[in-house]
This record gives sequence, structure tokens and C-alpha cells, in this order.
Amino acid sequence: AQRVTQPEKLLSVFKGAPVELKCNYSYSGSPELFWYVQYSRQRLQLLLRHISRESIKGFTADLNKGETSFHLKKPFAQEEDSAMYYCALRSGGSNYKLTFGKGTLLTVNP
Amino acid sequence: DGGITQSPKYLFRKEGQNVTLSCEQNLNHDAMYWYRQDPGQGLRLIYYSQIVNDFQKGDIAEGYSVSREKKESFPLTVTSAQKNPTAFYLCAVATDLNTEAFFGQGTRLTVV
Repeated sequence: AQRVTQPEKLLSVFKGAPVELKCNYSYSGSPELFWYVQYSRQRLQLLLRHISRESIKGFTADLNKGETSFHLKKPFAQEEDSAMYYCALRSGGSNYKLTFGKGTLLTVNP
Repeated sequence: DGGITQSPKYLFRKEGQNVTLSCEQNLNHDAMYWYRQDPGQGLRLIYYSQIVNDFQKGDIAEGYSVSREKKESFPLTVTSAQKNPTAFYLCAVATDLNTEAFFGQGTRLTVV
């Protein structure tokens, strides 16, 4: 069974402060991991995926297989980063099952 | 509009009635998903389909049914057996591994 855990329901930081949204997963094979973001009144959309090793809007995430984690980080938070963030895991191989965590609501205060 | 259409946006039904939510896509993607989004619960997977005429149960399939007769369409039926049907339902589509899933705007179902 695959599972995604986001331990923080809510996270509040001040503008310019570093932010880290935690994500841990449980999966026996080689997972594909993603971070999705939902801004107010907008559709859920992809923020980044581990396979690309990219930085989007200043956010990065590193897959740590030893700790089964995929934490999302940004060194200096901006007010426009305020949103709901979801970590997601997709099965490897031919199974396309895509599982999400419960999400973390990030609020960046001025 | 992202190529994924969920209709209607709002749906009201009486308790005990079955209701079908529509999800149509023109992205030519193979995989389609149905999620339920409740406050504090995140997105919970109901059903998913990797190819036409094939689908698998997700984590909370009880009380729901789906069909995948066409690549473009993946309707979800909320049956009277679903104990708490009032929720926000999201449809998503994706292609092969490592690519993103695209989401529809969702349907808010209220059962009274």
C-alpha cells in the first residue's frame, strides 16, 4: 500500500523567512513524487516533481529515500506563496495510482 | 480551459438518489482519476483508470461506481450506498509516468 503523510495541517511564517513543508511517504517500490499547489479559487496544479530536480518559484524538494521524505523548501517566503500544498506519490511501473497527502495550508504573513 | 471539463459545477440531489458526475477530456491522456476533497482530509482517491475499459478501485471506492467506455470520458456515479456523499469531487487526467496530472474545476455535490 502507498501512503503520503503531511504532518502539518497549518504552517504560518513571516515574509522573508525560510519555509519547509514536510512530506513522508510509504511505498515498497520506486515512487514518483510530486508537489501540487492550490491557490485560492484556482485549480490544483503541479508545482514540481522529483524526477526533474528543478526549482519552481524558488521552491525545491529533494527525495530522501533513506528517510522516505520529500520535503518542500523555500529560503525566503513571499506573501503570494500562501496556498494549500499537497504532496503526491505515484506508483512506479505500469500502475498509475496517484495518492495525495492531506495537505498543508501555508500562510505567509507580511 | 485546460482540456478537462467537469459538469455541473454545483449539483443538488435528494438522499437515496443516484447521481452521475461528468468528466470529459480532450488531452488524449490515458489515465483518469476521481478524487474526493473534504476539509482536513486532502484528496482521497475513489477510482482510477489507466486505459479504456479498465479501472481500479482507489482508497474509498465504496458507494461509488465508474465506467470508461471512451478515452475522453470517465463518469462517476455516486450511489445511494455512499453514506456521506456531500463533498467536492475532482477529476484528473495524466499520461505516462513522471508527467503531471491535470485537474478539472471540480463538482460540488450536496445531498439533502
